Amino acid sequence: GENVEQHPSTLSVQEGDSAVIKCTYSDSASNYFPWYKQELGKGPQLIIDIRSNVGEKKDQRIAVTLNKTAKHFSLHITETQPEDSAVYFCAAGGIGTYKYIFGTGTRLKVLA
Amino acid sequence: NAGVTQTPKFRVLKTGQSMTLLCAQDMNHEYMYWYRQDPGMGLRLIHYSVGEGTTAKGEVPDGYNVSRLKKQNFLLGLESAAPSQTSVYFCASSYNYRGGSGNTIYFGEGSWLTVV
Repeated sequence: GENVEQHPSTLSVQEGDSAVIKCTYSDSASNYFPWYKQELGKGPQLIIDIRSNVGEKKDQRIAVTLNKTAKHFSLHITETQPEDSAVYFCAAGGIGTYKYIFGTGTRLKVLA
Repeated sequence: NAGVTQTPKFRVLKTGQSMTLLCAQDMNHEYMYWYRQDPGMGLRLIHYSVGEGTTAKGEVPDGYNVSRLKKQNFLLGLESAAPSQTSVYFCASSYNYRGGSGNTIYFGEGSWLTVV
C-alpha cells in the first residue's frame, strides 16, 4: 500500500548547526508534501509545504526540497535553536484531496 | 477563532466501557479527520468525513465509530474500549480546496486516552 518512510527517527544537533530530515514516498500520484512540527503536549502544526511543480521552497531558516523522480523530499533547518526541538512529521498527499499519508516522525533535539 | 477543539483532553477508561470524543471546528472546513498517534507509528487515520452527513473508514477503523451530524462537529466513539486503544487521539480539519495548493490540515490539541 501507500507508504511514507521518514529518517532519522531521532536527531540531536548542536545549537547553530543544521538539521536535515528525509522522507520517501511510494504513491507516484502524490503532488503535495507538507511538514508538521509537534511540540510536547500539542497537536501538529504546519511549518512549510511544497508542491510537485516546485523543487525547493524556503521560509527563513526552514527549507524543503523535492526530488519527484526519486520520490524523495527533505526538510532542512539551518542555524538551529533550542525552540526548534520538537517532533517533525512529513506527509504526502494529492492536491485537492483529503488523503494524506504521514511519516513516523523525527524527534529533533537541539543541544544548547 | 478557536480552530479545532477536542474534548476531553484526558480520560481513563476501563476495558469494555464506552465513550465519545468530541471535536468542533470553527473554520467552516468541509473535511474532518480523526487520527491516533502511537509511539514509532506516526499519525494513523481512523475515520474521516468529506462533508456533513458523510463518514468513511481510514487505515485503522476497527473498534471505532464516527458521526458528522453537523458540519462543525465530528464525533469519535469507542463502543467497547480495549487496552489496544490506549493512544493520543487528534481531530483535524481542512478545506475542500481544488486549487493549486494542497489542503492544510489543522489539528486539535489532542486527547489522551488510557484503557485499563
